[in-house]
Amino acid sequence: AQSVTQLGSHVSVSEGALVLLRCNYSSSVPPYLFWYVQYPNQGLQLLLKYTTGATLVKGINGFEAEFKKSETSFHLTKPSAHMSDAAEYFCAVSDQRGGSYIPTFGRGTSLIVHP
Amino acid sequence: NAGVTQTPKFQVLKTGQSMTLQCAQDMNHEYMSWYRQDPGMGLRLIHYSVGAGITDQGEVPNGYNVSRSTTEDFPLRLLSAAPSQTSVYFCASAGVGTEAFFGQGTRLTVV
Repeated sequence: AQSVTQLGSHVSVSEGALVLLRCNYSSSVPPYLFWYVQYPNQGLQLLLKYTTGATLVKGINGFEAEFKKSETSFHLTKPSAHMSDAAEYFCAVSDQRGGSYIPTFGRGTSLIVHP
Repeated sequence: NAGVTQTPKFQVLKTGQSMTLQCAQDMNHEYMSWYRQDPGMGLRLIHYSVGAGITDQGEVPNGYNVSRSTTEDFPLRLLSAAPSQTSVYFCASAGVGTEAFFGQGTRLTVV
């Protein structure tokens, strides 16, 4: 069965500092990996995705993530945090297990950005 | 292009009442799913469907029922609402190898 672990329920950074949100997954087949962002009282918006090909994936709002198969990781980074990045971030994995592309989500990491 | 349309946005139920959350997608996606979101728990899968006429249980199916008579629609039924079902519910759809597209969510309170 596929699963996702997000290390740290809360991450706090200063504006302008590096953002690093950690995600590890397990999957018995090559996975598809995603990062979503959720702003307060809103739905989920896709930040970026890895399906096949280049392991370094660039997304919206300056975020990027690197798929490392040997470490089963897909950490999310951004060089310089903005106040507007404060939100909940979810890592998700899906694969063709049983013919399904239904994603499994991690518990989320709340990003707090201090002035 | 509407994407995933989920209704209602807000609902208050009394314990024991039943209701249906509606979900429709216009992207011809095969895969549809329902999640509930609770603080600190992320999104947990309730039920999902891999095509019309095919449904299966997810992680937290108890107290919920689904059907998929068409590709477009995937309603979620609460059979007898309980306070433990107070949550935010999201419907999602996906195609082969695509990301999941989400509805705007339903905030349900059971009193």
